[in-house]
Amino acid sequence: RKEVEQDPGPFNVPEGATVAFNCTYSNSASQSFFWYRQDCRKEPKLLMSVYSSGNEDGRFTAQLNRASQYISLLIRDSKLSDSATYLCVVNPGNTPLVFGKGTRLSVIA
Amino acid sequence: ETGVTQTPRHLVMGMTNKKSLKCEQHLGHNAMYWYKQSAKKPLELMFVYNFKEQTENNSVPSRFSPECPNSSHLFLHLHTLQPEDSALYLCASSQLGGEGYTFGSGTRLTVV
Repeated sequence: RKEVEQDPGPFNVPEGATVAFNCTYSNSASQSFFWYRQDCRKEPKLLMSVYSSGNEDGRFTAQLNRASQYISLLIRDSKLSDSATYLCVVNPGNTPLVFGKGTRLSVIA
Repeated sequence: ETGVTQTPRHLVMGMTNKKSLKCEQHLGHNAMYWYKQSAKKPLELMFVYNFKEQTENNSVPSRFSPECPNSSHLFLHLHTLQPEDSALYLCASSQLGGEGYTFGSGTRLTVV
């Protein structure tokens, strides 16, 4: 099983739609979790951390399910500017962060 | 300057050239990283430095040689590269025990 697995997509959704991405991780001892956003030909940027209690930042909601070892990202009311690749990232604890391969999102007018 | 700064932004080099990529972080972090990202491929971790000591080398060919003179600066020395080494090279920094990495804008390298 790969350390961090994501559906590569692409997810093509109309403006205003709600879209959800899931990610699974293999190391049950992983300590913290993040979603990063990467625009085409740019560097990844931290979108949000993911907490066990779930957290929300505007139109974005992240959830963590430790028992099932998955992380989710929900985007409501999609905007054209949300088009990007979303990277699921896991902190195993005493080694570098593990990045997923990313899920591509295209929001279409 | 703030954040993580990488220079140059773009580099074209021949296979016999020697060049260096530079990364500087202004965040007071104590760990720095080099990543490679080829077109439409995921990030590949190359090197890790904690407190300016190299702690990880992910089977990177010797034609890539990192240098970390202090916890704020990181270099990647390149020599006799191959065309397949063309990629986006990203530097990142973090605080050990902290949350997340901050990436620089990257150097887009083309080997001809």
